[in-house]
Amino acid sequence: DAKTTQPPSMDCAEGRAANLPCNHSTISGNEYVYWYRQIHSQGPQYIIHGLKNNETNEMASLIITEDRKSSTLILPHATLRDTAVYYCIVRVALYGNKLVFGAGTILRVKS
Amino acid sequence: DGGITQSPKYLFRKEGQNVTLSCEQNLNHDAMYWYRQDPGQGLRLIYYSQIVNDFQKGDIAEGYSVSREKKESFPLTVTSAQKNPTAFYLCASSIIGLKDNTGELFFGEGSRLTVL
Repeated sequence: DAKTTQPPSMDCAEGRAANLPCNHSTISGNEYVYWYRQIHSQGPQYIIHGLKNNETNEMASLIITEDRKSSTLILPHATLRDTAVYYCIVRVALYGNKLVFGAGTILRVKS
Repeated sequence: DGGITQSPKYLFRKEGQNVTLSCEQNLNHDAMYWYRQDPGQGLRLIYYSQIVNDFQKGDIAEGYSVSREKKESFPLTVTSAQKNPTAFYLCASSIIGLKDNTGELFFGEGSRLTVL
């Protein structure tokens, strides 16, 4: 599975959009981009995933560049409860099932 | 409600003792996983199982053992051979196969083991 690079930490004002970047320059054509988040001392929670097209769900939007070498997770209106560690993961197919977690980005939402 | 239950949430043990962490799921998922997390770090895969009575080593299997006698259960034993067992342990499960599969892993709330 391709490796990812994320900034170690970011700050965001409450109510503003949080844009979390992820570089995955060695991604292969059949690898998906997944985002999870982990609130302190809890299990990680799935947010969204995509292959080539941009994706949106009730939690977030995922923007993948045309060359697929990077992506951005967007939380449109960040709240204090969005403070967490956000993990960007790439992996083959949907049922390869082995997720390799990096250190992620600590997002701090401030009032 | 369907989900994954890990127990105990907190566990203290003396050095040299084996401990077993429980993981039960009622999601009817075929695959189950154990991850370890140390402070300030991401998750590392210990063992995973895609079918009953079968499991594979992950990246850091040394000092751990698992069993998968039932689809719903995937207990993890931290043996005395594990040199640094104090950590946060997370169990997860997922669907295998193409039908209705988003590739999502569902995690339990974790078990925090402290070895004194």
